Amino acid sequence: GENVEQHPSTLSVQEGDSAVIKCTYSDSASNYFPWYKQELGKRPQLIIDIRSNVGEKKDQRIAVTLNKTAKHFSLHITETQPEDSAVYFCAVTNKLIFGTGTLLAVQP
Amino acid sequence: NAGVTQTPKFQVLKTGQSMTLQCAQDMNHEYMSWYRQDPGMGLRLIHYSVGAGITDQGEVPNGYNVSRSTTEDFPLRLLSAAPSQTSVYFCASSFVGTGAYEQYFGPGTRLTVT
Repeated sequence: GENVEQHPSTLSVQEGDSAVIKCTYSDSASNYFPWYKQELGKRPQLIIDIRSNVGEKKDQRIAVTLNKTAKHFSLHITETQPEDSAVYFCAVTNKLIFGTGTLLAVQP
Repeated sequence: NAGVTQTPKFQVLKTGQSMTLQCAQDMNHEYMSWYRQDPGMGLRLIHYSVGAGITDQGEVPNGYNVSRSTTEDFPLRLLSAAPSQTSVYFCASSFVGTGAYEQYFGPGTRLTVT
């Protein structure tokens, strides 16, 4: 089955800095790569996604890049703010096989 | 729209008891799924369904049963609860099409098995 690895498991940045989270996957047939944000005690919510026919997608301060050859994709958050503090999960395929999550802490 | 709803919000079971976690959605989504979330383990797929009458296993199906008799409802049954099933359970739903679509999650059920 699909295997998804996510790094780092924790990330602490200063407010205004950039944060990058990377995921690698094993199944070369995977074609959908979403990122979810989960605040403490709440449900996961989609923040951005990318499909296999696109290399990069941006939405304001958030971007996702995909390298299908190397089988990895990354979440980029620029100008981080304290409200960006949460756990971020990557996922792969229509069935959503999740990575293990990254706890992002943005220090004011 | 209520979106995806789950009941109960909290549940405590004794080892060996059975129970059903309820999930319903009012968005006419064909695809529904169940996940469990354990600390440090992310979300793991238990079972999923691509439409009424069709279900399939995910990554961690053992100890759980599902059925999909209607588009709206996708209950998860724990047959004989074990402490290892202590977790937060999320139900999710989405459209099904030629591509993948955003999955909408319910608020979760926190289950403790003693």
